[in-house]
Amino acid sequence: SQKIEQNSEALNIQEGKTATLTCNYTNYSPAYLQWYRQDPGRGPVFLLLIRENEKEKRKERLKVTFDTTLKQSLFHITASQPADSATYLCAPSPRAGNNRKLIWGLGTSLAVNP
Amino acid sequence: DVKVTQSSRYLVKRTGEKVFLECVQDMDHENMFWYRQDPGLGLRLIYFSYDVKMKEKGDIPEGYSVSREKKERFSLILESASTNQTSMYLCASTPSGRNEQFFGPGTRLTVL
Repeated sequence: SQKIEQNSEALNIQEGKTATLTCNYTNYSPAYLQWYRQDPGRGPVFLLLIRENEKEKRKERLKVTFDTTLKQSLFHITASQPADSATYLCAPSPRAGNNRKLIWGLGTSLAVNP
Repeated sequence: DVKVTQSSRYLVKRTGEKVFLECVQDMDHENMFWYRQDPGLGLRLIYFSYDVKMKEKGDIPEGYSVSREKKERFSLILESASTNQTSMYLCASTPSGRNEQFFGPGTRLTVL
């Protein structure tokens, strides 16, 4: 079955450093992959989408890579700030069927320490 | 900005009660979704709708039904609430031709 894995352990980094979060998927080939941010008790907020034919996508301090050979996406936050502390969710799309039915990772909790 | 609103932030119900959770979006999106989110299980799709009066089962539809009589409103119904339906319920919408989902603030439902 299709499976998504994100770093299960919380990531703690120092302010100003680059945070790197990993999303690995198995048993399928997504057409695209999305990253969301979720704060405690709130709904997820869309950050970035990267398609299978794109190697890298950037938005301000955020960068996403998509390696279809490794079946992995990396999410980077450069010059991290305490306000970046949140849980980050990876959501690849299935290729077959309705590709709006995303498959969600459990998320990685990021804490940026001042 | 897209706005997705949900009828309640917190809700407490008794076992066996019929529960209605409502979601409204103001951007004319065709697709709407209901998820529940539980620790260690992540976001799981209950139902989604791609048009008025159209619905499709997600991964965990048992014990739930939905209604979409108007484009902007998507309701989730728990016909007879049970304690294992205690959860955070999240509604989302997506316009046709786009893939990013816009989420509401969530409803934390407790069934006693």
